[in-house]
Amino acid sequence: EDQVTQSPEALRLQEGESSSLNCSYTVSGLRGLFWYRQDPGKGPEFLFTLYSAGEEKEKERLKATLTKKESFLHITAPKPEDSATYLCAVQGSSNTGKLIFGQGTTLQVKP
Amino acid sequence: NAGVTQTPKFRVLKTGQSMTLLCAQDMNHEYMYWYRQDPGMGLRLIHYSVGEGTTAKGEVPDGYNVSRLKKQNFLLGLESAAPSQTSVYFCASRDPRGFPEAFFGQGTRLTVV
Repeated sequence: EDQVTQSPEALRLQEGESSSLNCSYTVSGLRGLFWYRQDPGKGPEFLFTLYSAGEEKEKERLKATLTKKESFLHITAPKPEDSATYLCAVQGSSNTGKLIFGQGTTLQVKP
Repeated sequence: NAGVTQTPKFRVLKTGQSMTLLCAQDMNHEYMYWYRQDPGMGLRLIHYSVGEGTTAKGEVPDGYNVSRLKKQNFLLGLESAAPSQTSVYFCASRDPRGFPEAFFGQGTRLTVV
């Protein structure tokens, strides 16, 4: 059964203090790992897709990496506007179309 | 370009009442999903569809039914609402042949009293 676990559940950072969020997954034949950002009261917004171990994607202060068992979302010199909940999801080959999410990490960046 | 639209945005139900949540997408996506989001639980998949006329169970399907009679619409039904179904419901759609990411609606906040 596909499973996604994110840690930590909550993270508080000072502005400029870099850190990483973790997404551990168990899936039969990974077809894609996705990172989303969710602001309060809104639907999740897409950030990155990763397909294979060793792959990296970057966008502004965010960088996503992928290994065979986990993905990291690295946040470099965060700003208060980076405060949000970050969600990780996987699609495996054993369940066509099924997209399973982790419980998310809520990030708060203080000025 | 509306994307994914959910109706209604807010609803209060009494225990035992029924209702239908509507999700409409204008991107011609094959796949559509219904999730519920509760504090500390992330997004949990209720039901999903990989094409018109198809539906499949997700992680937490009990108490819900779905239908996909038209490609652009995905309906989520609660036949007899229970307080445990108080949640925020999100619909999403995606087309794996193109960009693989899912696009989400703005959510429906449902309270069952």
